[in-house]
Amino acid sequence: DVQMTQSPSYLAASPGESVSISCKASKSISNNLAWYQEKPGKANKLLIHSGSTLQSGTPSRFSGSGSGTDFTLTIRSLEFEDFAVYYCQQYNEYPRTFGGGTKLELK
Amino acid sequence: EVQLQESGPGLVKPSQSLSLTCSVTGYSITSSYRWNWIRKFPGNKLEWMGYINSAGSTNYNPSLKSRISITRDTSKNQFFLQVNSVTTEDTATYYCAREGPYGSYGNWGQGVMVTVSS
Repeated sequence: DVQMTQSPSYLAASPGESVSISCKASKSISNNLAWYQEKPGKANKLLIHSGSTLQSGTPSRFSGSGSGTDFTLTIRSLEFEDFAVYYCQQYNEYPRTFGGGTKLELK
Repeated sequence: EVQLQESGPGLVKPSQSLSLTCSVTGYSITSSYRWNWIRKFPGNKLEWMGYINSAGSTNYNPSLKSRISITRDTSKNQFFLQVNSVTTEDTATYYCAREGPYGSYGNWGQGVMVTVSS
């Protein structure tokens, strides 16, 4: 299985700041990577697919980069609604696997 | 707009079977896409469990292959998860999700928490 290592596990920031989350795959997954946002009481939201393509409806302050084994999710100018848990997921092969999650907390 | 909703018992006894339903509205599960089950363990680890596609074929995570079954009722636009011989390690929040054209999960249910305990 492809192991997905996400870091950091926790991140504290303030509105207006920019943050980055790393996701590393144990082998090359090309650009077959997605990022999700999880909030209590809401369905998980697909933010980015194909490593860097914003899903329809995702604000432009979100961006994704990387290919192969190293990927990054960046959120510029944080807004209150962005404080949530974020996951990466590879869909290059089965079984699909996820990163361990990053909890973005309000500082 | 497609919507998915999980349902099922919140408590299952060890060694019994866990059975969940995903009800889909806004899109026919026989039209296209793969319809998945994913679970999140306490501590936030997510595990892909398997899918049933629009033709009715299935694919399971090898770690669970001997214990799970995904089926569907096309007349009700529902698909189902059964996990046999559950243990406390199967305690998790279970999600159904639609896999989109790129392989990512564009639509999720809100999840149902299942506890395995005597």
